[in-house]
Amino acid sequence: DTVLTQSPALAVSPGERVSISCRASEGVSSYMHWYQQKPGQQPTLFIYEASNRASGVPARFSGSGSGTDFTLTIDPVEADDTATYFCQQSWNEPLTFGSGTKLEIK
Amino acid sequence: QVKLLQSGAALVKPGASVKMSCKTSGYTFTDYWVSWVKQSHVQSLELIGQIYPDSTTPNFNEKFRDKATLTVDKSTSTAYLELSRLTSEDSAIYYCTRRGYFPGFAYWGQGTLVTVSS
Repeated sequence: DTVLTQSPALAVSPGERVSISCRASEGVSSYMHWYQQKPGQQPTLFIYEASNRASGVPARFSGSGSGTDFTLTIDPVEADDTATYFCQQSWNEPLTFGSGTKLEIK
Repeated sequence: QVKLLQSGAALVKPGASVKMSCKTSGYTFTDYWVSWVKQSHVQSLELIGQIYPDSTTPNFNEKFRDKATLTVDKSTSTAYLELSRLTSEDSAIYYCTRRGYFPGFAYWGQGTLVTVSS
């Protein structure tokens, strides 16, 4: 299976820029997607196909990358962005998710 | 609008089975795959499998092939996930989900919490 590696946690202050990385154990083309999940809620799709914002997602969120290295960037960060962010690939079967990066806003 | 409404939490004994539902609305049920995802503290998010309502053969993550059964009822636009021979490792939240017009799971149910305990 394709393993997606994310750093476990990040802490930033409001107004700063933060980059959340996701590295795939094998190439996934541009079929990487990002989700935001807040406690007690289901995940919400934020970025699809590496760089496309889902409907309703603020322009502060952007995605980049292809192949094996991907990044979700939030600029500027706001207090409401406190959540866990998961990457997910749909190029190789079975589709897999990263373990999530917990973002804390100081 | 698209909605996926899942059945309520379940407390089940080890060795038993549990069947949960995902009632969909707001779209043509037979046009999209329904996927099931497990979320546990140990393994984060894992795809269990996917079922196309007009097909008799679901796709499974091999890890779950002997654990899960996926079915649908087209008359009620409902998908089902049944888990068998439950152990503590099956305690988790289970989500049904569906992609949008583009790749990525754009629609999620609210999740069903399954607790396996004697």
